[in-house]
Amino acid sequence: EVLLVESGGGFIQPGGSLRLSCAASGFSFRTHSMNWVRQAPGKGLEWISYETSDEKTIHYADSVKGRFTISRDNDRYSLYLQMNSLTDLDTAVYYCVVSIEGYFPYWGQGTLVTVSS
Amino acid sequence: EIVMTQSPATLSVSPGERATLSCRASQSLSNKLAWYQQRPGQTPRLLIYDTFIRATDIPARFSGSGFGTEFTLTISSLQSEDFAVYYCHQYFNWPRTFGQGTKVEI
Repeated sequence: EVLLVESGGGFIQPGGSLRLSCAASGFSFRTHSMNWVRQAPGKGLEWISYETSDEKTIHYADSVKGRFTISRDNDRYSLYLQMNSLTDLDTAVYYCVVSIEGYFPYWGQGTLVTVSS
Repeated sequence: EIVMTQSPATLSVSPGERATLSCRASQSLSNKLAWYQQRPGQTPRLLIYDTFIRATDIPARFSGSGFGTEFTLTISSLQSEDFAVYYCHQYFNWPRTFGQGTKVEI
């Protein structure tokens, strides 16, 4: 069974930084591209970042480019999202998501990030 | 950026009825479109990918169609567990984008 468990969310003040982690199991993590998708409270889904299995290709949404950094450790079956210069617009549930040929078959349960003064 | 527009925003239907949800892309996607279901308080679940292929364990009452810029998700006979928000998602180009969602309610 594919399992994706996010952690690292919490309450942070504007301008602060946070690092999210995603622990993967139940599939061959090192051969799959991964994403972060977020959902603000009561709002829709927003894709924010992608990284290939070999770490050679990375994409970001414009809304986070220059502030967020995706990374992975294939030996630890883990995905990360370093988030800097946070604003209240970054308040959301952050999902770790596997992509296969571009679509998203597996999602974690998400971790809530709240940015507020 | 490819803009995805879903309609209607809310669809009011009764159990057993047919529901038709639309998704329009601002440019052609070929067949690179997926649909997800999100029940209240739950994680999104993949229903359909590559426009019409049902994901694992998705009931046959869910079907997808379309090509290019116009896509449709049809639920042939709504069950109580189908009342949820549905999102379309394009993976033809970067950045990946979602529609704003269609809420299917009683």
